[in-house]
Amino acid sequence: GNSVTQMEGPVTLSEEAFLTINCTYTATGYPSLFWYVQYPGEGLQLLLKATKADDKGSNKGFEATYRKETTSFHLEKGSVQVSDSAVYFCALSRALTGGGNKLTFGTGTQLKVEL
Amino acid sequence: AAGVIQSPRHLIKEKRETATLKCYPIPRHDTVYWYQQGPGQDPQFLISFYEKMQSDKGSIPDRFSAQQFSDYHSELNMSSLELGDSALYFCASSPGKRATDTQYFGPGTRLTVL
Repeated sequence: GNSVTQMEGPVTLSEEAFLTINCTYTATGYPSLFWYVQYPGEGLQLLLKATKADDKGSNKGFEATYRKETTSFHLEKGSVQVSDSAVYFCALSRALTGGGNKLTFGTGTQLKVEL
Repeated sequence: AAGVIQSPRHLIKEKRETATLKCYPIPRHDTVYWYQQGPGQDPQFLISFYEKMQSDKGSIPDRFSAQQFSDYHSELNMSSLELGDSALYFCASSPGKRATDTQYFGPGTRLTVL
C-alpha cells in the first residue's frame, strides 16, 4: 500500500538557519506529492506540491523536488523565520475510482525556530 | 478567496450522545473529504464524496455516517460517542477527481467527548 515516512521531530533551529525535512514515500504508480503546514490551532494549509517526477514545487521560500529514483520529496528552506514554526506534513495522493483522490500523510514534523 | 467552512468549530458532548458536523466546500468544488486527527497524530482519512456519491471509505467506525447534499455541503453524523472520538475533524474539498487536484482544508471542528 501507499505510505509516507517523515523525519521525526521536533526540529529546533535558530532563525536564518537552513531547513531540511526529509520525506520518502512508497506507492504504486505515479502519485502526486504535497507538503502541508499546520500552525497551532489551525487547519492544514497547502504549502507546495509536485505532480510528476523532477517537478519542483515552491512557495514562500520553501522548495521540494519530486525524485522518483529515490522516492523522496524533501522540504528545504534557505533561511527560516520564527513565523515558520509549525507542523509540516508530507503527503501523497492517488486517484479514487469513484472520483476524487485520497491523501496519505506522514506523521508530521514539528519545527521550532528560535531567535 | 472563499475557503472551506466547518461548523461548529468546537463541540462538547457526553458519552453515548450524537453529534453532527457540517462542511461547506469551496464554491464549484464537487469533492468533499473527511479526516480525523487525534492529538499529535497525522490526519486519518474517514470518507469522501464525489458528485454526491461516496467515492471511498477509510477507517470510519460503523457508528459514523456521512452524506453529501445537492448543494454539495456535507454532514458527518456520529452516534454513540466514545471518549476516543475526541479529536479534530477536518473537512477538505477539491475541484475535481484527479490525483493531482489539491485538497483544501477547513479550520476543523474540535470534538470533545466527556
